Amino acid sequence: GQQLNQSPQSMFIQEGEDVSMNCTSSSIFNTWLWYKQDPGEGPVLLIALYKAGELTSNGRLTAQFGITRKDSFLNISASIPSDVGIYFCAGIIQGAQKLVFGQGTRLTINP
Amino acid sequence: DTAVSQTPKYLVTQMGNDKSIKCEQNLGHDTMYWYKQDSKKFLKIMFSYNNKELIINETVPNRFSPKSPDKAHLNLHINSLELGDSAVYFCASSQAGGGETQYFGPGTRLLVL
Repeated sequence: GQQLNQSPQSMFIQEGEDVSMNCTSSSIFNTWLWYKQDPGEGPVLLIALYKAGELTSNGRLTAQFGITRKDSFLNISASIPSDVGIYFCAGIIQGAQKLVFGQGTRLTINP
Repeated sequence: DTAVSQTPKYLVTQMGNDKSIKCEQNLGHDTMYWYKQDSKKFLKIMFSYNNKELIINETVPNRFSPKSPDKAHLNLHINSLELGDSAVYFCASSQAGGGETQYFGPGTRLLVL
């Protein structure tokens, strides 16, 4: 069954606004990954997190691995039109060998 | 240079047919995966292979048979296609199995009529 809860499911924002989305679980994770999927394409890795408390940036994107190891967030600052797409969190549960995905956050930007 | 490539990109076929999707990665990774993305965009793992050996089989109907001729290739054969098989299928690869960052192909859009 679904082991990751990602929210919000969709966001409608104005260009220039900051965006925040998160994933939570009742399980402990060893790794958190954030992907972006553009229409007609495969998910592309944005940020990878490997340690509890880790805060990592990639340009205007910042993600953190929660201290409890059960959550992660992704922030996008000063959104631009090309940020439109579906953002997925994904994680590897402690002791497991597979990646589980959140339901995705669909980001729409009004110019 | 394409890291993970899939063919075909689009596949439209009749119910009951048998079809194959091919995947190749040039990243030198040891592990490859097949995922299914449904109409609600939910991504779920189907199979993973590490160095040509099956590691994960996520309760997928046995109409789906993966085959890995070498560690750079993982193909997916589907027998007796059903309407519910319509989805986007993604191939991915990672350096090793399990806890490694995975890189995805562009997807194969399968429509069963």
